[in-house]
Amino acid sequence: AQSVTQLGSHVSVSEGALVLLRCNYSSSVPPYLFWYVQYPNQGLQLLLKYTSAATLVKGINGFEAEFKKSETSFHLTKPSAHMSDAAEYFCAVSDMGQAGTALIFGKGTTLSVSS
Amino acid sequence: EPEVTQTPSHQVTQMGQEVILRCVPISNHLYFYWYRQILGQKVEFLVSFYNNEISEKSEIFDDQFSVERPDGSNFTLKIRSTKLEDSAMYFCASSGQNYEQYFGPGTRLTVT
Repeated sequence: AQSVTQLGSHVSVSEGALVLLRCNYSSSVPPYLFWYVQYPNQGLQLLLKYTSAATLVKGINGFEAEFKKSETSFHLTKPSAHMSDAAEYFCAVSDMGQAGTALIFGKGTTLSVSS
Repeated sequence: EPEVTQTPSHQVTQMGQEVILRCVPISNHLYFYWYRQILGQKVEFLVSFYNNEISEKSEIFDDQFSVERPDGSNFTLKIRSTKLEDSAMYFCASSGQNYEQYFGPGTRLTVT
């Protein structure tokens, strides 16, 4: 069965600093991987997805993630944090990549950005 | 931009009561989902629905839960007899033919 581990329930960075949110997955088949962001009182918004094409995936708001099969990782990065990036971030995996398939989520990482 | 909507945003109910959570998926989507997030825990899959029937469900989705698409726009989750442990944020999502699921803002259910 698939699973997702997000290391660090809370990450704090200064504005302008590098953002690194860690995600490791466990899957018996090539996975489809996703990062979602949740702003306060809002739903989950898809940031980016990996679907077995390019290993470096670019998403919205300047975020990107790199799929590393050897490390079973899909860490999320952003070169320069902005105050508006403060939110909760969820990594998710699907082993089918088909419509109707459940997403398995990690516990989430809360990103705080200070000025 | 099309979005998934959910009502109500917050529902308070007494233990043992039935609740219905409502969702309006994106209009041209065909697959619908319910997830829940208990406070402080991860988002958990409950059920997916396609062509008027359940396509996948988790072990959480027991006999006290049911889903329905009563008309062409709404998608509902019913909990027949709520328990304290049903208190959670419930998210509805929808997708088209691809795997990208679009989530609503959630309904916070509080069972007292």
